[in-house]
Amino acid sequence: DAGVTQSPTHLIKTRGQQVTLRCSPKSGHDTVSWYQQALGQGPQFIFQYYEEEERQRGNFPDRFSGHQFPNYSSELNVNALLLGDSALYLCASSPGTTAEGYTFGSGTRLTVV
Amino acid sequence: GNSVTQMEGPVTLSEEAFLTINCTYTATGYPSLFWYVQYPGEGLQLLLKATKADDKGSNKGFEATYRKETTSFHLEKGSVQVSDSAVYFCALSEGRAAGNKLTFGGGTRVLVKP
Repeated sequence: DAGVTQSPTHLIKTRGQQVTLRCSPKSGHDTVSWYQQALGQGPQFIFQYYEEEERQRGNFPDRFSGHQFPNYSSELNVNALLLGDSALYLCASSPGTTAEGYTFGSGTRLTVV
Repeated sequence: GNSVTQMEGPVTLSEEAFLTINCTYTATGYPSLFWYVQYPGEGLQLLLKATKADDKGSNKGFEATYRKETTSFHLEKGSVQVSDSAVYFCALSEGRAAGNKLTFGGGTRVLVKP
């Protein structure tokens, strides 16, 4: 079982650019949630996708958007990157919209310069 | 809104010492409570959980009891090992009605020295 797979593992972008991060959920999981973890802080909820729709959203601007595909994989897009977007982006999958079965990926480290 | 507060680190211990990490929460309903662990360069791993008051979660020698009266979920381990060095996060989820998202504390770094 491959667990949750995220790509790329590291990424460097310039302010103002756009970025796409990808997540493949654990086998049997149909729900994907994204979290942002700034250095030295706890993860913060960005949004959750289930049945290809955004079901819940945290306190993040519209520059953050996502998508879920029929195979349950997901993308996180961030437009007009700011220095403050530098963080570890974590994807978590679960069987259904429950927090109790979350499996986290290892994350994508995004650095904005 | 919901929030989780945990003791700031780093916590430095010698091997075989007793570990306690305090966690308190604020929530409007009856949340489920979790402890996650993050090893360097890795994502989060669920360490233990408790879904209702007075439940005790346990795993790998770690324990935490859901205390509704003090809104706390303190993590304890009787004898730590060097391999327990990591960052520990306390978190809550208010369930389906609130979207099942996790609200995390700021994390506590634990360093165990041989």
